[in-house]
Amino acid sequence: GENVEQHPSTLSVQEGDSAVIKCTYSDSASNYFPWYKQELGKGPQLIIDIRSNVGEKKDQRIAVTLNKTAKHFSLHITETQPEDSAVYFCAAASGAGSYQLTFGKGTKLSVIP
Amino acid sequence: DAEITQSPRHKITETGRQVTLACHQTWNHNNMFWYRQDLGHGLRLIHYSYGVQDTNKGEVSDGYSVSRSNTEDLPLTLESAASSQTSVYFCAVAKGTSNEQFFGPGTRLTVL
Repeated sequence: GENVEQHPSTLSVQEGDSAVIKCTYSDSASNYFPWYKQELGKGPQLIIDIRSNVGEKKDQRIAVTLNKTAKHFSLHITETQPEDSAVYFCAAASGAGSYQLTFGKGTKLSVIP
Repeated sequence: DAEITQSPRHKITETGRQVTLACHQTWNHNNMFWYRQDLGHGLRLIHYSYGVQDTNKGEVSDGYSVSRSNTEDLPLTLESAASSQTSVYFCAVAKGTSNEQFFGPGTRLTVL
């Protein structure tokens, strides 16, 4: 089955700096890669996703890049703000009609004002 | 607005008791999923369903069961609760043709 590794497990940045979280996956058939943000006491919230036919996707201060050859994808947050502090999870889904997600173990991001 | 609700939000039970966690969605989506979240393990899939009368085992299904008698609900049952099942449980929903999963607020279960 799919295996998703996520690094780092914790990340601290100064407000205004950029943050990068990286994930690798094992199943070359995976074709959907979402990122979730989880605030304390809440359920994960989908913030951005990318499909295997695209190399990069942006949404305001958030971007995701995908390298299918190397089987890794990354989340980039620019101009970080204190409200970006949360736990971020990457995930991967295999193709062929499977809608299951395999998650990384999460990255706790702290943005220091 | 369409939403996902989970109940109860918090529950404390004893070892050996049967426990049922509810998940209800108003989107009318076919795909529903149950995950557990534990420190150091992230989110792990317990069971999932792609429609009425369809249920499938996930990565950590031992000790859990689900049933899908309608589109809106996927209750998760712990047949005989164990301390190892102390966790936060999340229900998620997706359209039948989409990987995009949307999560409920979670249920914190403590088994003493």
